Amino acid sequence: DAKTTQPPSMDCAEGRAANLPCNHSTISGNEYVYWYRQIHSQGPQYIIHGLKNNETNEMASLIITEDRKSSTLILPHATLRDTAVYYCIVRVAQGGSEKLVFGKGMKLTVNP
Amino acid sequence: DTAVSQTPKYLVTQMGNDKSIKCEQNLGHDTMYWYKQDSKKFLKIMFSYNNKELIINETVPNRFSPKSPDKAHLNLHINSLELGDSAVYFCASSQGRRPYGYTFGSGTRLTVV
Repeated sequence: DAKTTQPPSMDCAEGRAANLPCNHSTISGNEYVYWYRQIHSQGPQYIIHGLKNNETNEMASLIITEDRKSSTLILPHATLRDTAVYYCIVRVAQGGSEKLVFGKGMKLTVNP
Repeated sequence: DTAVSQTPKYLVTQMGNDKSIKCEQNLGHDTMYWYKQDSKKFLKIMFSYNNKELIINETVPNRFSPKSPDKAHLNLHINSLELGDSAVYFCASSQGRRPYGYTFGSGTRLTVV
């Protein structure tokens, strides 16, 4: 299984961009990178995913390095509501299906 | 509202009891999951169903039995509850078997006393 490495925590000032790094040096060529987050006591929330091109949606941007060994999730204007645990995940295939395997994630704290 | 809904939200029960957690999604998804989040906050997949067919069955005790009467429902029945079963259980759904765009429910906090 391709694994990911994230710092355990990060702080960010409200209104500033939050850049959340993730290393996935063993990722295979056809494996996607997924980002989810879990706000305290809630169910995880899908944010974005990508293969090799940069991706952007209404929540965030995902920048994947050319060698695909790392990526950065960017929250362009962090708000207090973005305080959460963020999970960077590489898909795991099992028996023709794929599943999300959550690691420890990274706690982002957005400060006023 | 379109969502993944779980009932009950909280469940407190004694050791040895049998309990069920229900999950329903009205998103039209064809794949549903159960995840367990323990006290250390690790989220682990337990089961996955696609169109009522079991496709993922992690190493979970036989006391846990999922049931999917149709693709919009995935219930979790737990027999002979143990203290270690205390956790938050999340149901999720997705369209297809690929892990993007999962929608999670708000969780069921199970406490075994």
